[in-house]
This record gives sequence, C-alpha cells and structure tokens, in this order.
Amino acid sequence: DAKTTQPPSMDCAEGRAANLPCNHSTISGNEYVYWYRQIHSQGPQYIIHGLKNNETNEMASLIITEDRKSSTLILPHATLRDTAVYYCIVRVFQGAQKLVFGQGTRLTINP
Amino acid sequence: EAQVTQNPRYLITVTGKKLTVTCSQNMNHEYMSWYRQDPGLGLRQIYYSMNVEVTDKGDVPEGYKVSRKEKRNFPLILESPSPNQTSLYFCASSASGRETQYFGPGTRLLVL
Repeated sequence: DAKTTQPPSMDCAEGRAANLPCNHSTISGNEYVYWYRQIHSQGPQYIIHGLKNNETNEMASLIITEDRKSSTLILPHATLRDTAVYYCIVRVFQGAQKLVFGQGTRLTINP
Repeated sequence: EAQVTQNPRYLITVTGKKLTVTCSQNMNHEYMSWYRQDPGLGLRQIYYSMNVEVTDKGDVPEGYKVSRKEKRNFPLILESPSPNQTSLYFCASSASGRETQYFGPGTRLLVL
C-alpha cells in the first residue's frame, strides 16, 4: 500500500470549513483513498473514500487531484465534535483488508 | 443498532495470567480484525479473519492467539501476557467485498 504524508496538526475555527491535505505521490492506479478519524482514543470511524472522482457524503467531501497524487478532506462546517485525529489511507479495494494507519493529522476545532 | 462490542473495556492484570478480550459484531460481517494502538506507532494489525475458521497473522502477532468459531465472535487471547502488551486494543469488522471497517470502542489493557 502507498505511503501517505499528512501535516501533524491543524487548527480550524468552529463553523468554518476544515481542509485536511494528504499527499500520496506513489499511489497506484487501483488504490483508493480512505479517510478515517479517531476521537480521543475511541475506535476509528470511517468518513469517506474515493478512487479518482470527488466524493461527498453526509460527513465530508473528498477532493482528489487529477494526477491522484494528493487529496483533501473537507469538513464543510466544522464543529467542536470534529476535533479528532484524521487518518488518510491508500489501499487496494480487494485483498486482505488491513488498514495501515500513519500518524494522521490532529485537527483542533476552536470556538 | 449495528455495532462492534468489546469486553472488557479496561483491564489490569499481572504478567503471565492468561486473559481473553472478547469481540462481537451484529452485522453478519465475514471479516474481523484486531489492532493494537501504541503512542508513536499508530494502529498495527495483530490478527485477522476472513471467515469462520479462517484466521491469519497481521503485522504483530507474537504473544497473541485468536479463534473464529462463530461468525459474530473473534476473541483475542493472551496466553501469557507481558508488560510490552500493555496497549489499547481495537476490534474491527467489515462485510466481505466492502471496505468500510467498523471499529469497537477499544480495550485498554495494563500488564504489570
């Protein structure tokens, strides 16, 4: 699975959009980009995933660059409950379903 | 409610005393997995199971055993716990062919 690079920490004001970047320059054509988050030592929570098209669900939007070497997770209206560590993971869709978690980005939402 | 449950949530034990951490899911998922999380090391997979009676080692299997006799249950067994197994443990499950993994609430283990 390709390696990802994320900033260790970010801050965002409550009510604003939080944009979390992720670099995955060695991503292969059959690897998806996944985002999970972990709120204060709770179990990681799935947010969204995509292959090459932008994706949106009730939690967030995922923007993947055309060359697929980077992506951005967007939380459109961040709340205090969005304070968490966010993990960007790239992996193939099939096969042994191991998730390789890096260090992630610690996002702090400030009131 | 769809969920993964783990028991116990907190456990303090002593070196060498066998223990079992249970994991159960109510989503009829085929795939289940155990991870441990340590500061600076992130989450690392211990064992996984693709289906009943099918298990395989993850990245850090030493000192652990698992079994998958029923689809819903995937217990993690520490036959002779040691202090280096002090960690936060997570169980996860997902449906075959789908990638969304659902994680349990975690079990915090301290081995003295």
